Amino acid sequence: NAGVMQNPRHLVRRRGQEARLRCSPMKGHSHVYWYRQLPEEGLKFMVYLQKENIIDESGMPKERFSAEFPKEGPSILRIQQVVRGDSAAYFCASSTNTGMTDTQYFGPGTRLTVL
Amino acid sequence: DAKTTQPNSMESNEEEPVHLPCNHSTISGTDYIHWYRQLPSQGPEYVIHGLTSNVNNRMASLAIAEDRKSSTLILHRATLRDAAVYYCILRDYNAGNMLTFGGGTRLMVKP
Repeated sequence: NAGVMQNPRHLVRRRGQEARLRCSPMKGHSHVYWYRQLPEEGLKFMVYLQKENIIDESGMPKERFSAEFPKEGPSILRIQQVVRGDSAAYFCASSTNTGMTDTQYFGPGTRLTVL
Repeated sequence: DAKTTQPNSMESNEEEPVHLPCNHSTISGTDYIHWYRQLPSQGPEYVIHGLTSNVNNRMASLAIAEDRKSSTLILHRATLRDAAVYYCILRDYNAGNMLTFGGGTRLMVKP
């Protein structure tokens, strides 16, 4: 059973460009979470999605960031008009349910560098 | 999620046991104690979780104080591969499904 897959692993963008980060959850997982880790900082929750629905986006910046998890295909985190402060590692996690013993399984991350 | 307090860093010798402490004095009755770790340049990895009783799995043991205001993650024989940042996280599912990561403890393992 393949783990959570993220691509690309490294992404370089110039200021003002768009960044698209993809996450394929573990097989059988219908819950996806995105976290961001800024340089020398801890991991911060961004958004929680189930298939075709955003459940909790309380950690998402109000502008330029969006996320989706379509019925078919990977979850996408989209950052429009990137700025240098968006440079970070973006991690996706997936789980089977949200019960009391829910475990989140993380991917290897996408490291975004904005020039 | 309630706040947790962990030492910034700890050192251990290879093949010796390691006890990683976590204080959570404001824990509520519905909070589960979860531990994750993050190896260098990798995503976090689940280690163990518990509610009231001590727990064991193939990776580690979790000792929970009787009053639940603190817990200790125990690695029985540290290896070089265990060098990572260890995060103690309280999860109250009534408050949302995200994981709230603090600063964690950076564990260094000496050969």
